[in-house]
Amino acid sequence: ETGVTQSPTHLIKTRGQQVTLRCSSQSGHNTVSWYQQALGQGPQFIFQYYREEENGRGNFPPRFSGLQFPNYSSELNVNALELDDSALYLCASSLQTGGVETQYFGPGTRLLVL
Amino acid sequence: AQSVTQPDIHITVSEGASLELRCNYSYGATPYLFWYVQSPGQGLQLLLKYFSGDTLVQGIKGFEAEFKRSQSSFNLRKPSVHWSDAAEYFCAVGRRDGNEKLTFGTGTRLTIIP
Repeated sequence: ETGVTQSPTHLIKTRGQQVTLRCSSQSGHNTVSWYQQALGQGPQFIFQYYREEENGRGNFPPRFSGLQFPNYSSELNVNALELDDSALYLCASSLQTGGVETQYFGPGTRLLVL
Repeated sequence: AQSVTQPDIHITVSEGASLELRCNYSYGATPYLFWYVQSPGQGLQLLLKYFSGDTLVQGIKGFEAEFKRSQSSFNLRKPSVHWSDAAEYFCAVGRRDGNEKLTFGTGTRLTIIP
C-alpha cells in the first residue's frame, strides 16, 4: 500500500464529454504527478503540481488540466474527450525537498472513451 | 531529453530460475533510476531506486539492480523467481534538475512457468 488513492476506479465516457479524475496523496506530500498509460505502453508524464502550482508539463494538449488542493488531494480534468484518451490514468505523490524524491503511485483510474 | 529502452517485450522464465531484465537509458548527466512493477489491473509498485553511491542496489521481494554508467544500463536481477513475480516491469529515469518527471520504458512482461 502506497497511501495514494484514486477515484473512480473505472469510468466510461463518450467522445466530446468532459471528465474529472481524483487523487488523494500521501499525507505530507507536496507534489503530485499525473501519468497516462495506454494499453501495452509505459506511463507518459502529463503534468506535475507542486504546492498547488503547475511545475512541469509533458506533451499533452491544454484540454488536459489539473488542480492540487491544500488537503493533499488533486484532480485531473480532460475536456473534449477523444477516443485516444482511453487509458489508465495514474497519479503519483512525492515529497519534494530540493532533490529527486520517490514517487508513490495510486492504483489508477481506467477511462474508456466510446 | 531522457529516454529509456527495455529491449525485451516479453520474457518467460521457469519458477526457481534466475532472471535479468534489461534497461538502457539516455540522459545527459547521472540519472536517477527506478524499477517499478505492475500487476494486472494495478498501479505501480516501487521495487528499487538508484540515486547515488553504491551501484548495486537492493530492493524489495529479493530484487537487485546494478547501475553501469559505461553501458548506460540499469538491469534488474533476481536469483530465483517465484510464480508471484509474474507481472509487468517498468524501468524509469528521473531528472536531477528539480522537475520530478519520470520517463518510463515500454515495459517487460514476465511470465513464470511451473
